[in-house]
This record gives sequence, structure tokens and C-alpha cells, in this order.
Amino acid sequence: EVQLVQSGAEVKKPGESLKISCKGSGYSFTTNWIGWVRQMPGKGLEWMGIIWPGDSDTRYSPSFQGQVTISADKSISTAYLQWSSLKASDTAMYYCVRTGGAELYFDYWGPGTLVTVSS
Amino acid sequence: DIVMTQTPLSSPVTLGQPASISCRSSQSLVHSDGNTYLSWLQQRPGQPPRLLIYKISNRFPGVPDRFSGSGAGTFFTLKISRVEAEDVGVYYCVQGTQFPATSYTFGQGTKLEIK
Repeated sequence: EVQLVQSGAEVKKPGESLKISCKGSGYSFTTNWIGWVRQMPGKGLEWMGIIWPGDSDTRYSPSFQGQVTISADKSISTAYLQWSSLKASDTAMYYCVRTGGAELYFDYWGPGTLVTVSS
Repeated sequence: DIVMTQTPLSSPVTLGQPASISCRSSQSLVHSDGNTYLSWLQQRPGQPPRLLIYKISNRFPGVPDRFSGSGAGTFFTLKISRVEAEDVGVYYCVQGTQFPATSYTFGQGTKLEIK
């Protein structure tokens, strides 16, 4: 059974750094894209970026390029999303998603990690 | 980036009645590999989204057959043949055709509620 298990909720202050994780299981981690999707409170879904864990090829939405860093450690089947300096506007739910192999749709979603940034 | 426009944004329906949601893209979603990467997601209240339909009309395993997808090119439709209480939530279309040249993009979402 394919599972994406995300790290727990975080409460941070503006300016702090953060790295959240997504561990894949039940499939070959290196042969599917893993991406991140943001959902701000009461809003819709926004694609942030994606990584191919096999060779760490990473692509970003222009809206998020330079704002976050996506990485992966294939030895432990885990993808990461990190910020170097959080802002209050980063408060959101963050979902990791998997594509169906090299196909271009998101077939499995993680449960989400709620990030709250408040002074 | 491709813009995805859903209509309606809110859809009150009666239990047991059909429902339909449309999604229009600003450019053709036909990929160079011949596939059209248009999918539909359901997000129930308090839950993560889940995949319902991929490549226009393919139901994901476990999705009830009352859900169906259709369309081509730039216009797509999700239909629910008979709405049940568990179908309440927000539905999103999403395109992947433009990746990796540009982004995946989502529609704004359509809120399905019971009258």
C-alpha cells in the first residue's frame, strides 16, 4: 500500500527556519516525482515544486522559486520542504504528493503538515 | 502558465440528484505524448485532497462509478450521477500537461453542498 507520511504540525516565529518531511513507503521511491502543494487557510491548492528522487532533478513553480528548497534523501525514502526565514504569510497546510510514475498527475497525497508562523 | 477556470464555484444539489462541474483551460491540454493530463480531485472537509479521475476519464481505484469525467482539448467535465452525503466537499481540476516546461496548475475549486 502506497503511503506518504508527513512530519507533525509546527509553530514557528517569523524569521525562523524550518524543514518538514514526507516519507514514502509501499512503492519504489526513486521512480515517482514527489511534490509539494500549499493550501492557505480557507483557500485553494497551489503547486510549489517537485523532485525526482532518483537523480534529485528539482523543479519549482515561479511563485515559489527562491522562497523554499525541496530536497530528497533516497536512502530513507524521504522528501523535504524547507524555509530559511519564515514569514507570517507562510502559514498554511502543506501536502506532499506523488505522481503516477512519470505520468503527470498526483495519485497519492500525504495527510498534510500544518505550519503556523506567528510572533 | 495555463489558467484553469472552474464553473460553478458553488453547487447546491439535492441528494440523489446529478451534479456537474466544468473546467476550462486557457490552452490545449494535449501533451506531446498524446495524453491529456487533466485530473479531478475531491477534498472533503478537514481531509487532504484525493484523486478521483486522471487523464480526463479514468477513475482511480476505489472511486465509486457514480463519478465520471469527460472532455477534450480545453473543456472538461466531472459528473456525479447521484449525489450522496459523503460527496460534500470541494472539487478541483488540475493540469499537468505543461510540466516540466511550466507549472502544474489547479482550478479555483467548486464547493459541492447539499440543499
